[in-house]
Amino acid sequence: DVKVTQSSRYLVKRTGEKVFLECVQDMDHENMFWYRQDPGLGLRLIYFSYDVKMKEKGDIPEGYSVSREKKERFSLILESASTNQTSMYLCASSSPKRGASEKLFFGSGTQLSVL
Amino acid sequence: DQQVKQNSPSLSVQEGRISILNCDYTNSMFDYFLWYKKYPAEGPTFLISISSIKDKNEDGRFTVFLNKSAKHLSLHIVPSQPGDSAVYFCAASWNSNYQLIWGAGTKLIIKP
Repeated sequence: DVKVTQSSRYLVKRTGEKVFLECVQDMDHENMFWYRQDPGLGLRLIYFSYDVKMKEKGDIPEGYSVSREKKERFSLILESASTNQTSMYLCASSSPKRGASEKLFFGSGTQLSVL
Repeated sequence: DQQVKQNSPSLSVQEGRISILNCDYTNSMFDYFLWYKKYPAEGPTFLISISSIKDKNEDGRFTVFLNKSAKHLSLHIVPSQPGDSAVYFCAASWNSNYQLIWGAGTKLIIKP
């Protein structure tokens, strides 16, 4: 059974803390994505990566960075967490074929609260 | 300005009846559309998609209709079952772009 695993289901952090969200996929997918989901706004793309050590900015990259040192792992980093980064964070992966026409496989999400 | 709009935050349908979820878009460059389903405490899962060269795509109980002139697509679920209760997201892309543009979602409640 294919799987995208996010390291934490819930996280509570303080303003100014450095936060790491980890995502691992076991499908040998080339492409990996980080989204945030907020009520009334749908999913918004933060960053994506189509190969190891490659990264591309999505719609809302400000305040975030990413790391893809291994094919199966894609990390999202909040350098200095702020309250407006309180959100549900979703990691996804997709097949080697480029483009959005392939299916995305999502993890269960990390609900981050920044106090 | 949202390019993909799902104007109904929620929809309640009797079990066994047809559920119709709607999605409107503003960007005429979109050429691929997808529907995802999300249960609480889980990530979204792919449901069905349609290319702009088609106006209908069917998969079992799920059918997606695309009206390009109206920039409108709809997802029909027939018959609706209790397990269909979930949030449904519409998403769109263009030119095989990675960046899917998502609607805000519609919460579907199937009443027994």
